[in-house]
Amino acid sequence: EVQLLESGGGLVQPGGSLRLSCAASGFTFSSYVMTWVRQAPGGGLDWVSAIGSSGSDTYYSDPVKGRFAISRDNPRNTLYLQMNSLRADDTAVYFCARGAARQGWDYWGQGILVTVSS
Amino acid sequence: EIVLTQSPGTLSLSPGERATLSCRASQSVSNNYLAWYQQKPGQAPRLLIYGASTRATGIPDRFSGSGSGTDFTLTISRLEPEDFAVYYCLQSGGSPVTFGPGTKVDIK
Repeated sequence: EVQLLESGGGLVQPGGSLRLSCAASGFTFSSYVMTWVRQAPGGGLDWVSAIGSSGSDTYYSDPVKGRFAISRDNPRNTLYLQMNSLRADDTAVYFCARGAARQGWDYWGQGILVTVSS
Repeated sequence: EIVLTQSPGTLSLSPGERATLSCRASQSVSNNYLAWYQQKPGQAPRLLIYGASTRATGIPDRFSGSGSGTDFTLTISRLEPEDFAVYYCLQSGGSPVTFGPGTKVDIK
């Protein structure tokens, strides 16, 4: 069974940092593009970042470019999102998802809440 | 950036009725890289349709997608109680990937 489990969320002050993890199981993690999507409270969905299967190709939305870094550890079947210089508008539930957008994100984690507030 | 507009914002229907949801793009979506996702409160989104018209694995055939270019439609032929949710379209033909604002399908 495919499972994605996010961790590392919580409350952080503006300007602070947080690292999210997404532990994958039930599939060959190293064969898939992986993605982060977020959803502000009561809001819609926003694509955040994606990483190629080997980790050498990374992509970011404009609001997070230069502040967030996506990475992966294929032997550990884990996806990461390092979030620096956090702002109040980064407050959201962050989901990891399997796959590339063009083929559809077919499996999602349950989401992890990140709150940026003083 | 391709902006997606979804209409209506809210669709109030009864179980058994047909639902027609629209997603319009500000410019043509290349290769019809348009997907539809369903989201229920407190849950992660669920992939329904990709490539404008291909149903994802395990999606009932009452869900269908159509359209090309700038105009896309998700149709639910007969609403089941579990179909009342928010539906988002997503385009990945242009950079960056963008979502529409969503259509809420609620019970009349």
